Amino acid sequence: AQSVAQPEDQVNVAEGNPLTVKCTYSVSGNPYLFWYVQYPNRGLQFLLKYITGDNLVKGSYGFEAEFNKSQTSFHLKKPSALVSDSALYFCAVRDWADSWGKLQFGAGTQVVVTP
Amino acid sequence: GAVVSQHPSWVICKSGTSVKIECRSLDFQATTMFWYRQFPKQSLMLMATSNEGSKATYEQGVEKDKFLINHASLTLSTLTVTSAHPEDSSFYICSARDYSGTDTYEQYFGPGTRLTVT
Repeated sequence: AQSVAQPEDQVNVAEGNPLTVKCTYSVSGNPYLFWYVQYPNRGLQFLLKYITGDNLVKGSYGFEAEFNKSQTSFHLKKPSALVSDSALYFCAVRDWADSWGKLQFGAGTQVVVTP
Repeated sequence: GAVVSQHPSWVICKSGTSVKIECRSLDFQATTMFWYRQFPKQSLMLMATSNEGSKATYEQGVEKDKFLINHASLTLSTLTVTSAHPEDSSFYICSARDYSGTDTYEQYFGPGTRLTVT
């Protein structure tokens, strides 16, 4: 069975400082990993994904994530946070063997960026 | 591209009535759609996987007779909450996979439907 852990319920960061949101995963085979962001009362917006290839993945809005197989992690990062980055962030994993492509989501991490 | 819409965006209904929520892929064909439920400040809980032309597959613990899913075309899936009760009040989100070309591995999410049962 696959699972995703986001160990932090909330991350607080000052505007302009680096932002990191942590994610670790567990799958039986090769993982497909995703980050999504959700603003209040909205659906999820795709940020980036890791399927194969380069461990450093660049995505939307200046976000990037690094796939670390040995640590089974896929932390989301942004060099300089903006107040508008304040939102709920979800890490998700898909088992490569699942033909329907079901995603398992982490619990979510609330990011609060203060001016 | 890859836009998913939901209708309605919010709905209030009385206990005992049924409510239908539509999920449409606007610019791509979606053989597979997913329905999620989300409680405030919590994660998404997968309710069911909807495949065009076949019966939906429900996750363990989800009542299939209460949450009726119909995926009648490649661009439309509907979720009907039958005999709704206050405990069914939640944020319902659908997503879809694009099968029209190379698998992008992504799910594209709708904006969600807020259901309140009084």
